[in-house]
Amino acid sequence: GAVVSQHPSWVICKSGTSVKIECRSLDFQATTMFWYRQFPKQSLMLMATSNEGSKATYEQGVEKDKFLINHASLTLSTLTVTSAHPEDSSFYICSARDLSDSTYEQYFGPGTRLTVT
Amino acid sequence: AQKVTQAQTEISVVEKEDVTLDCVYETRDTTYYLFWYKQPPSGELVFLIRRNSFDEQNEISGRYSWNFQKSTSSFNFTITASQVVDSAVYFCALSGTGANSKLTFGKGITLSVRP
Repeated sequence: GAVVSQHPSWVICKSGTSVKIECRSLDFQATTMFWYRQFPKQSLMLMATSNEGSKATYEQGVEKDKFLINHASLTLSTLTVTSAHPEDSSFYICSARDLSDSTYEQYFGPGTRLTVT
Repeated sequence: AQKVTQAQTEISVVEKEDVTLDCVYETRDTTYYLFWYKQPPSGELVFLIRRNSFDEQNEISGRYSWNFQKSTSSFNFTITASQVVDSAVYFCALSGTGANSKLTFGKGITLSVRP
């Protein structure tokens, strides 16, 4: 149980275009999902916390107009990188909290590797 | 504010050696969770262990063992008889216990196990 999927697993896009990444909880409901970014040889940095039906909360330094997050259902959150530039190339990982889990543990997706050319 | 320090950045050992990965944390919370994750070259995070701050018992799972010392705010991870498949980046992480708690990751330790 507690499986989180991400789509696509990798994507290459041209500078100036937008790309959408999906995060789904497959076998549980998640009121809260998290989006992380990981640059090569670095740690995971939390970008934003996404709550179903409300606006996402962004961490300091993360541009909310550039990284659009939508959490429209209890099983799906999307991250859209708008007007992507090469510096946005990174590994994006989502995680989800199981609504019924009182420990509030996060389950991680497999990640999406974004390359902007 | 929460902080996780993994002072070791890269460790290289020969297969069958034991290796200990250090983790020191800081938090003002009285209750919290500590985690270890493995990230192989594929990138997917693999959950290894979660430890509640109330539970200071050491844990062993096969070749893996964890030593939680609340007095020194440390949560070290030992791999016994390392194998090439253990080569990966290992992250220690800390979170609070509430619904809005966030995970704070250390910088990670790159472990290379040579045949």
